[in-house]
Amino acid sequence: EQQVQQSPASLVLQEGENAELQCSFSIFTNQVQWFYQRPGGRLVSLLYNPSGTKQSGRLTSTTVIKERRSSLHISSSQITDSGTYLCAMEQSYYGGSGNKLIFGTGTLLSVKP
Amino acid sequence: EAAVTQSPRNKVAVTGGKVTLSCNQTNNHNNMYWYRQDTGHGLRLIHYSYGAGSTEKGDIPDGYKASRPSQENFSLILELATPSQTSVYFCASGDKGSGNTLYFGEGSRLIVV
Repeated sequence: EQQVQQSPASLVLQEGENAELQCSFSIFTNQVQWFYQRPGGRLVSLLYNPSGTKQSGRLTSTTVIKERRSSLHISSSQITDSGTYLCAMEQSYYGGSGNKLIFGTGTLLSVKP
Repeated sequence: EAAVTQSPRNKVAVTGGKVTLSCNQTNNHNNMYWYRQDTGHGLRLIHYSYGAGSTEKGDIPDGYKASRPSQENFSLILELATPSQTSVYFCASGDKGSGNTLYFGEGSRLIVV
């Protein structure tokens, strides 16, 4: 069972349009992160959002932990925004000072001129 | 900027052969991770480590071993490679001191024939 569900699986936009990406979790988590990945590239952290709303440039993430969901809003999309957006929930593990992340399968965004 | 480097970037191995994927981080992070990425499955955690000398099983450890000889280095070992292990492998590092985010390498593409 996929513990992190993302929708839509893919999205095509015209440059300048806004995008809304959704993420939901089948189990409780207390931390959510959003990542970006270019085709064949490394993952880059976009936003770390445990709860509420966080903004970074044209990106806004809203997380409602008790409803086990998070969203990522991209305003005024640009061609260079094309790529895969992955949501990840954090699970703490015993004995360590960190976390492990469980990822969704991603939303493939394509922005056309 | 956190730096995680992986080697080799591309590898073709024969079934039954041994493969070692290496990862080096220069961020002094305590935690390191190995994920594999496959279409339809997203990223799945294979092994992780929370310090030199420690390795822990992730969600899909079967067929893989890990080694963390130092703070900087974390290796993934396939003793007897199989075609089902054809994938892109990502290493990551992070800890609470880095804002709970993970820093990823550029990936190692492995093909087992």
